[in-house]
Amino acid sequence: GAVVSQHPSWVICKSGTSVKIECRSLDFQATTMFWYRQFPKQSLMLMATSNEGSKATYEQGVEKDKFLINHASLTLSTLTVTSAHPEDSSFYICSGGGSVEQYFGPGTRLTVT
Amino acid sequence: KNEVEQSPQNLTAQEGEFITINCSYSVGISALHWLQQHPGGGIVSLFMLSSGKKKHGRLIATINIQEKHSSLHITASHPRDSAVYICAVRSEYTGNQFYFGTGTSLTVIP
Repeated sequence: GAVVSQHPSWVICKSGTSVKIECRSLDFQATTMFWYRQFPKQSLMLMATSNEGSKATYEQGVEKDKFLINHASLTLSTLTVTSAHPEDSSFYICSGGGSVEQYFGPGTRLTVT
Repeated sequence: KNEVEQSPQNLTAQEGEFITINCSYSVGISALHWLQQHPGGGIVSLFMLSSGKKKHGRLIATINIQEKHSSLHITASHPRDSAVYICAVRSEYTGNQFYFGTGTSLTVIP
């Protein structure tokens, strides 16, 4: 099946710094990618829909100025957590695919100290 | 009320047992996914269903569209099957919107 990769797989950063997470579709082109967040012992929550060549669509309650999404090519979407705070510590997952199939990345664990 | 409900939330089984995890949903869907999440977080997509039944190795997934219900079965369970299993449905109407169940945590004891 198709593969989605994420980089880095884990990152520790200091409070106030920014962190960029990459999501790549390795063997397919993704005009749309999705970013999810998962807090401990909770299910995945959709944060935003990343659209190639246009602005991302954010879910209610997700700050677009804090979570910057860039989808500059058909194989790469990036999520930048700006001015990270300890409460942003979470597991971030992306997915991409077509209108039916959906492939999930392995996730990035962010810890903000 | 969550759009996707899974049961049980936690499940402990002896190695070799037949396991069933259930998923009920309340929205119209275009597809249902079963996902496996191991400790450490990485997610693997096990099945994508829109009708009927699929089998992959010891895993079987079924869906009943009329009853809005899906089951994931594991035959001859093994300790390496220990993981969280998540049911996710893709909305028929919004297309992009996924709804996720809270997951079933499975522990298979040797």
